[in-house]
Amino acid sequence: SYELTQPPSVSVSPGQTASITCSGDKLGDKYASWYQHKPGQSPVLVIYQDTKRPSGIPERLSGSNSGNTATLTISGTQAMDEADYYCQAWDSSTGVFGGGTKLTVL
Amino acid sequence: VQLVESGGGLVQPGVSLRLSCAASGFTFTTYSMNWVRQAPGKGLEWLSYISSSGSTVYYASSVKGRFTISRDNAQNSLYLQMDSLRDEDTAVYYCARDGPASGYYFDFWGQGTLVTVSS
Repeated sequence: SYELTQPPSVSVSPGQTASITCSGDKLGDKYASWYQHKPGQSPVLVIYQDTKRPSGIPERLSGSNSGNTATLTISGTQAMDEADYYCQAWDSSTGVFGGGTKLTVL
Repeated sequence: VQLVESGGGLVQPGVSLRLSCAASGFTFTTYSMNWVRQAPGKGLEWLSYISSSGSTVYYASSVKGRFTISRDNAQNSLYLQMDSLRDEDTAVYYCARDGPASGYYFDFWGQGTLVTVSS
């Protein structure tokens, strides 16, 4: 079965840039999306179709996808960005999530 | 857009449970829908997809043969019939709308309903 691999945790200082990677076989040939999930809340779509931002998502969140790796980049990280982030893709009519990355803003 | 799940609760292993998701604020009949869950301390897990008409369904291998997704477009409702429940099915269950035109992403999520399977 298809797998997406994310680092369990990423730490960043306020104002700095955080990058969260998502690796999967030929992931660049698929669409990747990213979700922000805070405790007690529902997940929120932050990036879809590799690079697109839904309405209301700050421009400092951006995405890329090439080769075997998709990346979520958060520029000028703020305390409000602290959350779990999940990548997601489809393979053979099956939805697949990465294991999630806990972003800590120190 | 509003998605409201219901039907969760505490059940014993082996029993059945049906979750519902009431949709409003958009034209339900034109969107595919999904169920996703999160077990305690674990990540998100996609479970099932249903097309806008209900004619096409997909399942994760972990629930195929035990769970059944369905929808009632006249009632703007999505369902998940869960049979032969196991301890490992304990999770918060979310319904999630597919992006427009089968966009391969989930653009809106409900608040979730907790299912606890325990004897």
